[in-house]
Amino acid sequence: EAGVTQFPSHSVIEKGQTVTLRCDPISGHDNLYWYRRVMGKEIKFLLHFVKESKQDESGMPNNRFLAERTGGTYSTLKVQPAELEDSGVYFCASSQGALAMFFGPGTRLTVL
Amino acid sequence: GENVEQHPSTLSVQEGDSAVIKCTYSDSASNYFPWYKQELGKGPQLIIDIRSNVGEKKDQRIAVTLNKTAKHFSLHITETQPEDSAVYFCAATGGGTSYGKLTFGQGTILTVHP
Repeated sequence: EAGVTQFPSHSVIEKGQTVTLRCDPISGHDNLYWYRRVMGKEIKFLLHFVKESKQDESGMPNNRFLAERTGGTYSTLKVQPAELEDSGVYFCASSQGALAMFFGPGTRLTVL
Repeated sequence: GENVEQHPSTLSVQEGDSAVIKCTYSDSASNYFPWYKQELGKGPQLIIDIRSNVGEKKDQRIAVTLNKTAKHFSLHITETQPEDSAVYFCAATGGGTSYGKLTFGQGTILTVHP
């Protein structure tokens, strides 16, 4: 069974540009989560989808971040416009039930 | 909201020794406590978890203990091996609709010397 996959693995963009990250959860997992780790700090929750609905988006830092999960399968996280403080590693995770989350390898975003 | 503190930030042991990582949490409503291992270039991997109705759980060389009264939980690795070297994260979350919102500790870099 394939795990959670994320694309791209790395992205380097300039301040003010737009970046879209993609996550493909484990097949059959209704729950999909986005987390990020800013350099040297802990991993922080961004949001949680149940199928195509946003269950909890309390961790989204501001309206420059937009997450979608059309059709309840893969998800995208768009940052527009990107700022320097958005640099970090963005993780996607999925789960079948309420717990036991499986994380993807992450996308390392660098904003110059 | 929940706050999780993790110690130590770095831990260096000799192969064969035991390693212990400790976490404290602030929200008494938290009821699920997973531990993740992150190797270089990979995402966090769930290695063991415990729920608040259990005091201890073991899986081969790994064990987790939970003290609900004191609001702390610990990861114990026995007979450490070089491949145990990684960053370890503890996390906590409550029930209800917030079950997907893990609050992580700051991480512990474990180095096992051969």
